[in-house]
Amino acid sequence: DAKTTQPTSMDCAEGRAANLPCNHSTISGNEYVYWYRQIHSQGPQYIIHGLKNNETNEMASLIITEDRKSSTLILPHATLRDTAVYYCIVRVEGSTLGRLYFGRGTQLTVWP
Amino acid sequence: EAGVAQSPRYKIIEKRQSVAFWCNPISGHATLYWYQQILGQGPKLLIQFQNNGVVDDSQLPKDRFSAERLKGVDSTLKIQPAKLEDSAVYLCASQTSGGTDTQYFGPGTRLTVL
Repeated sequence: DAKTTQPTSMDCAEGRAANLPCNHSTISGNEYVYWYRQIHSQGPQYIIHGLKNNETNEMASLIITEDRKSSTLILPHATLRDTAVYYCIVRVEGSTLGRLYFGRGTQLTVWP
Repeated sequence: EAGVAQSPRYKIIEKRQSVAFWCNPISGHATLYWYQQILGQGPKLLIQFQNNGVVDDSQLPKDRFSAERLKGVDSTLKIQPAKLEDSAVYLCASQTSGGTDTQYFGPGTRLTVL
C-alpha cells in the first residue's frame, strides 16, 4: 500500500512555480522519496528522487524536511505540458524487490 | 535510445475470452515489471522479473493471469479467461537492475472487457 498522502488536485498558472506537497510521516531511514508523473495516455515518467538532502535536476527540485516526514516537488516555471498526475512514492534502498507503490497522486493542471 | 515498446496499444474483448500483451524492454535492462492501472487509480504491480526469473508475483491473480520472459528479454502477459474487472491499462516497465534504479515505462495497453 502507498505510504504517502497527496492532495487530489492542484492548479497553477503557466510560468509560475508549482509546489506539490507530499506527506510520508512513517518513512523509514532507508527509504528514498521518489516522484513520477503521468501525462494523459502515457506511462509514468521518473522526475527526481532523494533521501534527506534537497535535490535538483533539469526537471524539478525536491525539498525534503529535516525530519523527512514530508517533501515538496517544485516545478520552477510550469508549462502547459506539465499538466499531469504527480505521484510521490517512498521506496526502500538496496532491495531486490523494486515495486513502486503508487497512490492516486495529485492531478496538476497548468492553465494559460 | 529506444524506449519500452508495448503492443497492442488497444484491445477490446468479450468476457471469458483470452488476451495477450507483449513488451520489449530497453536493451540491456535486466529487470522487467508488469503493472495494472485501473481508471482513476495509480499503477499496481503484477509481476517483477529479473532476467528470466520471477522475483515478485505476489499480486498476480494466478488463476487467470500468467506471464513469461523467455531468454530474459521480451515478455508476454496473458489473461485467460478475462473478466469485466480486468478492464485496465497494462503497463510494462524496465530498469537496469533491482533496487533504486529508475524505472522506464512503456505507453501501456488499454484493455476493455465487454
